[in-house]
Amino acid sequence: DTGVSQDPRHKITKRGQNVTFRCDPISEHNRLYWYRQTLGQGPEFLTYFQNEAQLEKSRLLSDRFSAERPKGSFSTLEIQRTEQGDSAMYLCASSPQTSYEQYFGPGTRLTVT
Amino acid sequence: GQQVMQIPQYQHVQEGEDFTTYCNSSTTLSNIQWYKQRPGGHPVFLIQLVKSGEVKKQKRLTFQFGEAKKNSSLHITATQTTDVGTYFCAGSAYAGKSTFGDGTTLTVKP
Repeated sequence: DTGVSQDPRHKITKRGQNVTFRCDPISEHNRLYWYRQTLGQGPEFLTYFQNEAQLEKSRLLSDRFSAERPKGSFSTLEIQRTEQGDSAMYLCASSPQTSYEQYFGPGTRLTVT
Repeated sequence: GQQVMQIPQYQHVQEGEDFTTYCNSSTTLSNIQWYKQRPGGHPVFLIQLVKSGEVKKQKRLTFQFGEAKKNSSLHITATQTTDVGTYFCAGSAYAGKSTFGDGTTLTVKP
């Protein structure tokens, strides 16, 4: 399967712990996005990469959130000192250089207890 | 910041009836995309509109982009049970960030 993959699919953690999620985009896509989605809401933009450069980060994102895409391929999203309000589905998407269409991965569901 | 609003939030139809969802942006868009998300699934790309007044069709689905590039609509003719899910629009004012609406959830009664 050559679609977007995310790991893990589910993560349960205790409040205050750090978590890291991984996203592997479609191989020829140079744009990569991270979103957060809660029940009944649309995906909320977190950050965007073009190749290895992080070009935009949501102002809503606290400094507990950080993302990297070190070689312009896979990306990681880290949340430090998790809070119960961080519980959500974290979605990764990628898109080709020539289009805005985004292809989403299956998501990582985070539960903070 | 840019806001994208969708109406209605929910729509219940009898199989065979038509369905329309509307998307409005607070700012002029360079493009708009539509996605479908099935229950328990992730958003799946349907179409992208770029030009003012553009109309595109995919079988029973018709997508429109407004003349002012601030609104869009998705119309489904003769709904089927396979059409159930949440339909999202996502607008981009420039290359990069897309702002998603909160979606319209469609249920179809056989």
